[in-house]
Amino acid sequence: GDSVTQTEGLVTLTEGLPVMLNCTYQSTYSPFLFWYVQHLNEAPKLLLKSFTDNKRPEHQGFHATLHKSSSSFHLQKSSAQLSDSALYYCALRNYGSSGNKLIFGIGTLLSVKP
Amino acid sequence: DMKVTQMPRYLIKRMGENVLLECGQDMSHETMYWYRQDPGLGLQLIYISYDVDSNSEGDIPKGYRVSRKKREHFSLILDSAKTNQTSVYFCASSLGAGNTLYFGEGSRLIVV
Repeated sequence: GDSVTQTEGLVTLTEGLPVMLNCTYQSTYSPFLFWYVQHLNEAPKLLLKSFTDNKRPEHQGFHATLHKSSSSFHLQKSSAQLSDSALYYCALRNYGSSGNKLIFGIGTLLSVKP
Repeated sequence: DMKVTQMPRYLIKRMGENVLLECGQDMSHETMYWYRQDPGLGLQLIYISYDVDSNSEGDIPKGYRVSRKKREHFSLILDSAKTNQTSVYFCASSLGAGNTLYFGEGSRLIVV
């Protein structure tokens, strides 16, 4: 069945270093993916989502590229900031017989240190 | 104002008591969701509602039921709460199922 895998539970970085959070997926149909971010004691909110064409979504310095050949949608940023410390979820749109829904990965906690 | 509101935000219940978590949204979204969030497990879908009185089980519906009598309001009910239902519960809504989700602030439930 459809699934999302985030292999890192915790990523610790020094401020200024590049960020890459991994997300791979299995999808029965044409994939549509999302990244959500959740800061401490806040609600998850959309960070970015994939496009149906070849455009690369970007938001707040983060970007992700959908690679169908490797079934990946890794989240990247060139330089980590302290304020990027948060829980990041990758999610896949699942097309079900009763309706669509999102399948979430288990999340990756990003901790950025000075 | 594009907001999802959850009540109560914090709740302590004894095992066996009933629990009602309420969620409202002001975006006229037809699809609403209840998730629970646990460390190491991420966000798990409990129930999804595609519109009024059109509810479907998610991945972990056991021990829960829902009610949606108005488009803007979606309730999660725990009949006879169990200690393993201690969690943070998030309500969300979207314009169309599987589109961008807007989450509420969460309801932290402790069952003792």
